[in-house]
Amino acid sequence: DAKTTQPPSMDCAEGRAANLPCNHSTISGNEYVYWYRQIHSQGPQYIIHGLKNNETNEMASLIITEDRKSSTLILPHATLRDTAVYYCIVRAKTSYDKVIFGPGTSLSVIP
Amino acid sequence: DVKVTQSSRYLVKRTGEKVFLECVQDMDHENMFWYRQDPGLGLRLIYFSYDVKMKEKGDIPEGYSVSREKKERFSLILESASTNQTSMYLCASSLVRGNSDPSNYGYTFGSGTRLTVV
Repeated sequence: DAKTTQPPSMDCAEGRAANLPCNHSTISGNEYVYWYRQIHSQGPQYIIHGLKNNETNEMASLIITEDRKSSTLILPHATLRDTAVYYCIVRAKTSYDKVIFGPGTSLSVIP
Repeated sequence: DVKVTQSSRYLVKRTGEKVFLECVQDMDHENMFWYRQDPGLGLRLIYFSYDVKMKEKGDIPEGYSVSREKKERFSLILESASTNQTSMYLCASSLVRGNSDPSNYGYTFGSGTRLTVV
């Protein structure tokens, strides 16, 4: 089973911030939180990752709670091109372990 | 800038054919994975490999085999294709030992091969 849970779907108005939650209550101390997104008919693409501090890059921000049991991916100004399935996974930084992807959150950005 | 390349974007094969799906990565990653993706079922792991000539079954290995003769190449083989193997197939790779690019610590996926078995 996947080690993360996410809402199956969300809507967001174009230009507004999209906040995508993820629960990972069994995360281990050496595991990072990774976010990917998959646009229809393409392979998932890396967005961002973090351990315990909040992270920001050109695509998104990642907010991780102090207890590390949940996180939120923030797309600050959602565009129609952000419509995709977003996956949250946890894994050690370098690992032999296979990772189970859950069904993710299907984000629809509405004009 | 393509890092994980899957040999075919679309493929149509006949029932009973032996099918080879090829995946090549240029990031010197140790781990490589094959997933299939079907509507409503998410990404399901078929096989993975953490080293040359090593392979491990994933969650749905039945009807598939794999080959990893070189570090950069991981092949998925459908011994006798069936219609229920019609799907999107995704290859991915990841590091075991660290390097300087943080984004490479996660999974890098190919663009996928949409296989139709008729």
